[in-house]
Amino acid sequence: DVQLVESGGGLVQPGRALTLSCRASGFNLGDHGMSWFRQAPGKGLQWVGFIRNKLYGGTAQYAASVQGRFTISRDDSTSLASLHMDSLKIEDTAVYYCARLSRVPYTSSWLADSWGPGTLVTVSS
Amino acid sequence: DIQMTQSPSSLSASVGDRVTITCRASQGINNYLAWFQQKPGKAPKSLIYAASSLQSGVPSRFSGSGSGTDFSLSISGLQPEDFATYYCQQYYTFPWTFGQGTNVEIK
Repeated sequence: DVQLVESGGGLVQPGRALTLSCRASGFNLGDHGMSWFRQAPGKGLQWVGFIRNKLYGGTAQYAASVQGRFTISRDDSTSLASLHMDSLKIEDTAVYYCARLSRVPYTSSWLADSWGPGTLVTVSS
Repeated sequence: DIQMTQSPSSLSASVGDRVTITCRASQGINNYLAWFQQKPGKAPKSLIYAASSLQSGVPSRFSGSGSGTDFSLSISGLQPEDFATYYCQQYYTFPWTFGQGTNVEIK
């Protein structure tokens, strides 16, 4: 079975950094893109960014609100995806989810088809 | 950015009812539309992709339709486990964006 498990969340002060990890199992991480989403307390879902697999260049794209502060990386050999968050702001407080992306057949698009349970990041002084 | 607008924001229904949720995109997205179900404290679950294709394992009482800017998710014969919040999401272009969610509650 496909399984994704996030870790690394916690309480962090504004301006500090934090790295989240996403351990994948039950599939070959190298065959998929990986994305991060977040959900602020009581709010809706927001896309944070994603990283393509090596076949499609391994490049990443980010939401404007995190561009330049957040970095997504991947290590296919250890089935691990990561989200490094720098210069954290109070408004980054949220549950962060990693998700597996699969290519949509006959298109250049990707689709999130499996999600981890999430990890809570609280940015507060 | 493409704005996704869902309606209604919430609805009350009974077991066995048929419910329909609509989602409108601020510009055409072809059929690059997904629907997710989320229960309190849980991760979203993928239900439908390409506007009308059911993910593996999703019950056939769920159906999706639409193309361009107007889409809908229908649940025929609402079951107790279907009470949740539903989100639409466009993956036509970055940034990917979600509707604000529709909370389906028990009447």
